[in-house]
Amino acid sequence: SQQGEEDPQALSIQEGENATMNCSYKTSINNLQWYRQNSGRGLVHLILIRSNEREKHSGRLRVTLDTSKKSSSLLITASRAADTASYFCATVLNYGGSQGNLIFGKGTKLSVKP
Amino acid sequence: EAQVTQNPRYLITVTGKKLTVTCSQNMNHEYMSWYRQDPGLGLRQIYYSMNVEVTDKGDVPEGYKVSRKEKRNFPLILESPSPNQTSLYFCASSATSRGYNEQFFGPGTRLTVL
Repeated sequence: SQQGEEDPQALSIQEGENATMNCSYKTSINNLQWYRQNSGRGLVHLILIRSNEREKHSGRLRVTLDTSKKSSSLLITASRAADTASYFCATVLNYGGSQGNLIFGKGTKLSVKP
Repeated sequence: EAQVTQNPRYLITVTGKKLTVTCSQNMNHEYMSWYRQDPGLGLRQIYYSMNVEVTDKGDVPEGYKVSRKEKRNFPLILESPSPNQTSLYFCASSATSRGYNEQFFGPGTRLTVL
């Protein structure tokens, strides 16, 4: 039951540029989380934004949440080659059989060229 | 160091030969979960556990078993592996029951079933 869908599927930018990834979802959520995965490795948690929050920052990361549009965006400012990875949004539902479980999108593959 | 460990990291086996992938966390987390990751499909939840002796099916439980006899361990058992279970498997844990907080992921187990 795929809930989140990231856009774009792939993004290629130059070092120093900003990278924006979007996530859309279908049903009411408790929170939305962003994770990073370096090739073939485990996922690393980046940010959690709750349904009553609109924006959160962590270092060079900025996440927004628009519950009326059921969408979120992840902005990475001043990107570095080390930011090259896949980025996943994951939603946590408030109800139903999957209540409280993470439901992942398919990810955005970011490539930052030196 | 707070971490989730998985063993083995890589496994090649044959159809029908029972195997167990172990998962252990040292953070006293209540919630643990197993995911599989396949190209084009993202991460899908197999099973999860909200606490000792409490387990439930995720989105793709067929062909898998789990147990949670101790808080720190959550093994994934494939009684009779088949080639369609070839995948990258991740174990994750979270402080509270269900996923209302960030999840910590293990490094992954790459399984090939011939």
